[in-house]
Amino acid sequence: DQQVKQNSPSLSVQEGRISILNCDYTNSMFDYFLWYKKYPAEGPTFLISISSIKDKNEDGRFTVFLNKSAKHLSLHIVPSQPGDSAVYFCAASPYSGGGADGLTFGKGTHLIIQP
Amino acid sequence: KAGVTQTPRYLIKTRGQQVTLSCSPISGHRSVSWYQQTPGQGLQFLFEYFSETQRNKGNFPGRFSGRQFSNSRSEMNVSTLELGDSALYLCASSLQPGGGGNQPQHFGDGTRLSIL
Repeated sequence: DQQVKQNSPSLSVQEGRISILNCDYTNSMFDYFLWYKKYPAEGPTFLISISSIKDKNEDGRFTVFLNKSAKHLSLHIVPSQPGDSAVYFCAASPYSGGGADGLTFGKGTHLIIQP
Repeated sequence: KAGVTQTPRYLIKTRGQQVTLSCSPISGHRSVSWYQQTPGQGLQFLFEYFSETQRNKGNFPGRFSGRQFSNSRSEMNVSTLELGDSALYLCASSLQPGGGGNQPQHFGDGTRLSIL
């Protein structure tokens, strides 16, 4: 069973608009959530994270929102730029200080920024 | 600061062979984790090493093994290769185990393994 789900395999957004990527999880033990960005032929690059004690974390154009009761998080990118075109992975960890089971990843959403 | 280095970048093997992949973590990072990425399953956790000890292992058969050296470099070995082992194998390092919290995992560019 998939504990971290990204239900949209792909998303197309116009340059300058807001991109919203969604992620749902089922395991209540997840305590920390991360977003990674991946270009072809490269490894994932860490973008932003959020602890379960917060509901929002912002870093420049990137904001992550966490709705713990709904077990849902989203990544907002504003404004979207052509270089944002990549696959975005949502990941979860069971412990804030370091998990026992590594990171659990969603299957990714391919974001395409159109000019 | 140099990133995570994985070698080789590409590898072609045949069924039944065995393979060893190498990972050099970011300097100072003592935790190394391995992941398998396939189109159908996404990124799946293989195992994690910290201070030369395997801390935990994902749901993979015993053909998949690894080790970590005193300099934190890690190797992953797959024996009796099967067609389904074709994948991108990613290594990630972090200061502390787990990859969550304030010390996220940083990934290498992976080794693309193809089984013929």
